[in-house]
Amino acid sequence: DIVMTQTPLSSPVTLGQPASISCRSSESLVHSDGKTYLSWLQQRPGQPPRLLIYKISNRFSGVPDRFSGSGAGTDFTLKISRVEAEDVGVYYCMQDTQFPITFGQGTRLEIK
Amino acid sequence: EGQLVESGGGLVQPGGSLRLSCAASGFSFSDHYMDWVRQAPGKGLEWVGRSRDKASSYTTKYAASVKGRFTISRDDSKNSLYLQMNSLKTEDTAVYYCARYRVGASRDYYFDYWGQGTLVTVSS
Repeated sequence: DIVMTQTPLSSPVTLGQPASISCRSSESLVHSDGKTYLSWLQQRPGQPPRLLIYKISNRFSGVPDRFSGSGAGTDFTLKISRVEAEDVGVYYCMQDTQFPITFGQGTRLEIK
Repeated sequence: EGQLVESGGGLVQPGGSLRLSCAASGFSFSDHYMDWVRQAPGKGLEWVGRSRDKASSYTTKYAASVKGRFTISRDDSKNSLYLQMNSLKTEDTAVYYCARYRVGASRDYYFDYWGQGTLVTVSS
């Protein structure tokens, strides 16, 4: 199975400041079709997960443009340009290049 | 807009069985892959399995941790997805989410709709 490792596991951030979460996979996420199936999900307290980013850098419908994704191969990053109060929650990276689908451990974003 | 509503969770003894349901609305259920993902209390997300659509012959895939014990099925006439869970273990305790896995044009693959989840507690 592909292991997804996120850092940091907890990120205290000041409102209006940027935040960055890293995700590393144990093997390349480049599929045989040439695409990289790496997504980022947000889970607010008491809520189900919500898709933010797919295929590394594609923002899902309705996701604010302060969220952006980047990376390639085995190293990926989610950035929030200016953190807002509604961004509090746990963020997961997820790979669906190969079965089984696997998730990172989650990064808890909290406001300082 | 699509909506998914899970039901069927509850308390069950180790070794017991439970069947979860996921009712879909607002989209053409039969045209979509559907997955189950679970989350143990205070823990992260774990993929459980997938039901592909009619065009893919409803084939299924499972995580190793549930293979042989859990079965995913669907009834397109009822817009419903099911998870039959047998031989339950305490480590199966979790909130179970159903999620739509979109297989879009340009190989845009992702989970776009999630239900609110249903809690399964396996305990004596």
